[in-house]
Amino acid sequence: DQQVKQNSPSLSVQEGRISILNCDYTNSMFDYFLWYKKYPAEGPTFLISISSIKDKNEDGRFTVFLNKSAKHLSLHIVPSQPGDSAVYFCAASAGYGGSQGNLIFGKGTKLSVKP
Amino acid sequence: KAGVTQTPRYLIKTRGQQVTLSCSPISGHRSVSWYQQTPGQGLQFLFEYFSETQRNKGNFPGRFSGRQFSNSRSEMNVSTLELGDSALYLCASSFLSAGAAYEQYFGPGTRLTVT
Repeated sequence: DQQVKQNSPSLSVQEGRISILNCDYTNSMFDYFLWYKKYPAEGPTFLISISSIKDKNEDGRFTVFLNKSAKHLSLHIVPSQPGDSAVYFCAASAGYGGSQGNLIFGKGTKLSVKP
Repeated sequence: KAGVTQTPRYLIKTRGQQVTLSCSPISGHRSVSWYQQTPGQGLQFLFEYFSETQRNKGNFPGRFSGRQFSNSRSEMNVSTLELGDSALYLCASSFLSAGAAYEQYFGPGTRLTVT
C-alpha cells in the first residue's frame, strides 16, 4: 500500500504561471516532508522541506504547504520557468532528527513548463 | 563542498553474478542511505547506515547487503543477480543529528543492467 501518493503523473504549465504539485500521505507518523526534483540520468536534487509543526515553508520561488488534517501537501512554483521541467518527487519521513533513516517517496509528477 | 559521489556510473552484469557499488558521502555526513529506482516501483528504500551500523532496512531480499566504513563511505552488494535487479541505484547522505533538519542529498546513481 502506497503511503505517499502523487496522483498526477504529469502536469503542463505555461511559463510565468504557477505550478502546483500535490501529494497525499496516509501514515500519521510522518513528521517531516521533502520535495525533490529529478532530471533524467541524475540523482534527485533536494528542493524544500517542511516539518509537521509548520503549515508553510517558503524558499524563493518555491513554497510548500502542509495540511495535516487532510494529510496533504503541495508544492507551489511561482513563476514557473522552462528550467523547472523535471520530475518532482514528494517524500516523507517518520522521526524528526533522524531516528528513522529512510524516506518514503511518491511515484513522482512530471512537470513540463512551456515557453 | 563536494557532493555525493557514486562509482561506477554504469554497469552491465550477467544474471547470477554479483556486484558491488560504492558511495562516498558529503564530507561530514555520517548517514548513508541506499535506494533503488525502477520505472514500475519508483524510488524504494534499501537500507541506511550510520556510524558503520545498519539502522534501517527496507523490504528487499537478503541478496542485497551493504556496509559502511569508518570514513562514512559505503558499499552495497547484490549477489546472484536477477534480471529484475536492473535499476538505478541511488546513494544519499545526510548530516543527521538530533533536532537537525533531515534532508538527504543524493548522488548521481549507478545504472545497473543485468542481462
